[in-house]
Amino acid sequence: NAGVTQTPKFRVLKTGQSMTLLCAQDMNHEYMYWYRQDPGMGLRLIHYSVGEGTTAKGEVPDGYNVSRLKKQNFLLGLESAAPSQTSVYFCASRSSTDTQYFGPGTRLTVL
Amino acid sequence: AQKVTQAQTEISVVEKEDVTLDCVYETRDTTYYLFWYKQPPSGELVFLIRRNSFDEQNEISGRYSWNFQKSTSSFNFTITASQVVDSAVYFCALSEVTLTDKLIFGTGTRLQVFP
Repeated sequence: NAGVTQTPKFRVLKTGQSMTLLCAQDMNHEYMYWYRQDPGMGLRLIHYSVGEGTTAKGEVPDGYNVSRLKKQNFLLGLESAAPSQTSVYFCASRSSTDTQYFGPGTRLTVL
Repeated sequence: AQKVTQAQTEISVVEKEDVTLDCVYETRDTTYYLFWYKQPPSGELVFLIRRNSFDEQNEISGRYSWNFQKSTSSFNFTITASQVVDSAVYFCALSEVTLTDKLIFGTGTRLQVFP
């Protein structure tokens, strides 16, 4: 039972490049979330999904897009990366007891 | 609006000392959840505890204990007889019972335990 996994673990992009972060969970959870963690700011919600085929904006959605084509996967896309998107990205899924379980994180640097 | 405040940015203790991490929250809702997560130097976020707003009983799990007081909107975390392995950043978080169930995080408290 892997829980929540994230791919890749590290990535370096140049300004203007695009990329997709993949989150996968094997716990059959309906709700999934993408957060970013910046120094001194805790974690902030980017986008979330309440089920397959649904997505919604969180607190800091600008510059990101998401898709939830399959229940177990939640993809986060950056169409044109900017240095302000340098951060650590965490995916989470929510259990039936309303607890969110997090993946190991992806460290993204945009030069 | 929801808000979680962890006023202690960094705490340093020597092994075997007891340490309390403070968490104060703001919410207008009567139904909500409070959480603590641990982020060790390896970077992952580890779930420690969930408490719902109707359960004010204190909880103890080994060397960890949590004190929830609605009257002061606080959910403090105490580590008894701290160990070097307790060194981490600890986050307190709040979730209102809504469609989103999103977590509002505090800014975290970095705990350093020295041998």
